[in-house]
Amino acid sequence: GAVVSQHPSWVICKSGTSVKIECRSLDFQATTMFWYRQFPKQSLMLMATSNEGSKATYEQGVEKDKFLINHASLTLSTLTVTSAHPEDSSFYICSASYGAPYEQYFGPGTRLTVT
Amino acid sequence: DAKTTQPNSMESNEEEPVHLPCNHSTISGTDYIHWYRQLPSQGPEYVIHGLTSNVNNRMASLAIAEDRKSSTLILHRATLRDAAVYYCILKRNDMRFGAGTRLTVKP
Repeated sequence: GAVVSQHPSWVICKSGTSVKIECRSLDFQATTMFWYRQFPKQSLMLMATSNEGSKATYEQGVEKDKFLINHASLTLSTLTVTSAHPEDSSFYICSASYGAPYEQYFGPGTRLTVT
Repeated sequence: DAKTTQPNSMESNEEEPVHLPCNHSTISGTDYIHWYRQLPSQGPEYVIHGLTSNVNNRMASLAIAEDRKSSTLILHRATLRDAAVYYCILKRNDMRFGAGTRLTVKP
């Protein structure tokens, strides 16, 4: 199947700093990319959906000014957590898709720890 | 959003078949039924998906009820590597995860 990578796989940052997470579709062009967050022992929660060249659509309760999403090309999307706080510590997972109804391919996740 | 209901957990013995049920009584005609699984500290892995007909692939089989209000993921011979959380998801334009079923495989 198609491969999606994320970088970094883990990151530790200090409270108040910003962190950027990259998501790449390595062998296909993704019309749509998705960002999820997963807290320990919980399921994945959809944060936002982005289409290449368009502004991301954020889920209710997700602050768009805090979680900046850029989808500049068909193979790259970035999530920037601005002014991170300890409560932002989580497992962030991206996925990419050719579009409905096709399957989504998920990245390996990025573990963010804010100290 | 159309929701799915799955048992919280199931157990299986190694090399035996496993049937993981999913109820989705509010499914609409355009919803595809997707199954993913997730191992600890990893991203979800695609397993199988279907619309109306039963589907088979190298990983599993998907049996879809005639009224589409339920489906069953079938692992024909469970291995220890199949221990994971299995998610049944109705997909339109995006994918929203429920709690899933935690499958334990006993040797």
